[in-house]
Amino acid sequence: NAGVTQTPKFRVLKTGQSMTLLCAQDMNHEYMYWYRQDPGMGLRLIHYSVGEGTTAKGEVPDGYNVSRLKKQNFLLGLESAAPSQTSVYFCASSYSWPGNNEQFFGPGTRLTVL
Amino acid sequence: GNSVTQMEGPVTLSEEAFLTINCTYTATGYPSLFWYVQYPGEGLQLLLKATKADDKGSNKGFEATYRKETTSFHLEKGSVQVSDSAVYFCALSPMNTGFQKLVFGTGTRLLVSP
Repeated sequence: NAGVTQTPKFRVLKTGQSMTLLCAQDMNHEYMYWYRQDPGMGLRLIHYSVGEGTTAKGEVPDGYNVSRLKKQNFLLGLESAAPSQTSVYFCASSYSWPGNNEQFFGPGTRLTVL
Repeated sequence: GNSVTQMEGPVTLSEEAFLTINCTYTATGYPSLFWYVQYPGEGLQLLLKATKADDKGSNKGFEATYRKETTSFHLEKGSVQVSDSAVYFCALSPMNTGFQKLVFGTGTRLLVSP
């Protein structure tokens, strides 16, 4: 099993450009999440999904959109990138409620917005 | 609100030294508590968890005890190895209705030298 994979691993954007980050999991998990990791701030939840076709906002959703058209994939979109979105982005998945269920993380995408 | 406070890093130790990384939390009720570890260049992995007061989570020689009276979940290991060098995140999942998202601390970097 590959677990949780993310593409791309690195990306540099100019302000105003758009891009999509792809997350895929092969564990048949219902729940998927997008986090951003910034120095001194830990991980913050951007958006999450509790099943195919569903999405919901997390702590810091502004400037991002997501889609979960297939159970195994969770896409994170930046329509008009800003320097404040420079960060490391992690996707994660879990079988059920995160309260008692382990979240499995991808290796991350390092995004720089100039 | 819900929050997690971890000790500032980096924590620098020699191989075979004793490790303690402090974690305290603020939450209502009885949250579930977790330690995640992030090795260089990788995503987070669950290290251990505890779901009720006085529970002890353990894995790979690491231990943490859920202390309700002191709202703490300190991570300990009796003898660290160079391979334990990583960033350690304490996290909680609050007990509330609806989506129980993970709240992460800011992370503590551990550096172990031979």
